[in-house]
Amino acid sequence: SQKIEQNSEALNIQEGKTATLTCNYTNYSPAYLQWYRQDPGRGPVFLLLIRENEKEKRKERLKVTFDTTLKQSLFHITASQPADSATYLCALDGDSSYKLIFGSGTRLLVRP
Amino acid sequence: KAGVTQTPRYLIKTRGQQVTLSCSPISGHRSVSWYQQTPGQGLQFLFEYFSETQRNKGNFPGRFSGRQFSNSRSEMNVSTLELGDSALYLCASSSGDRGGGYTFGSGTRLTVV
Repeated sequence: SQKIEQNSEALNIQEGKTATLTCNYTNYSPAYLQWYRQDPGRGPVFLLLIRENEKEKRKERLKVTFDTTLKQSLFHITASQPADSATYLCALDGDSSYKLIFGSGTRLLVRP
Repeated sequence: KAGVTQTPRYLIKTRGQQVTLSCSPISGHRSVSWYQQTPGQGLQFLFEYFSETQRNKGNFPGRFSGRQFSNSRSEMNVSTLELGDSALYLCASSSGDRGGGYTFGSGTRLTVV
């Protein structure tokens, strides 16, 4: 069955450093991969989308890579700030499926 | 522009009852999806509607149903509530085109007692 794995342990980093979050998947060939941020008690907020034929996507301090051979995506936040502290979710979108399959999320804590 | 609006924000129901949740998508968005979020299972897809047609359905029992109206607003209904239905129910809207992100509402927190 389809499986998406994100590091369940919280990632604790110092302000100003680069945070790198990992998303691995199996038994799936997504057309798109998306990253969301979720704060407690709120709905996820869309951050970035990368297509299967793209290797890298950037938006301000955010960068996503997508390796369909390794079945892995890396999500980077450069010059991290305490306000970046949240849970980050990876989601796969298959071709013609009109649904997202979410990972369990990784909690990021940025220390001042 | 206004975001995705879900009502009510909180709900407490008794086992065996039924519940209806409402979602108003972003103006112009014709696709509405519903997700259930629990600590144990995470975010799980319930169903997706586009122009009043259900295009995809997740692996949930028939007690979970939904519909979409001509103005794109959507409702989901859960009948014969069970304790395990306690969760955050999230609605997401999109233009319906492939390759776009989804805008989520703040969710309805349902507690079944």
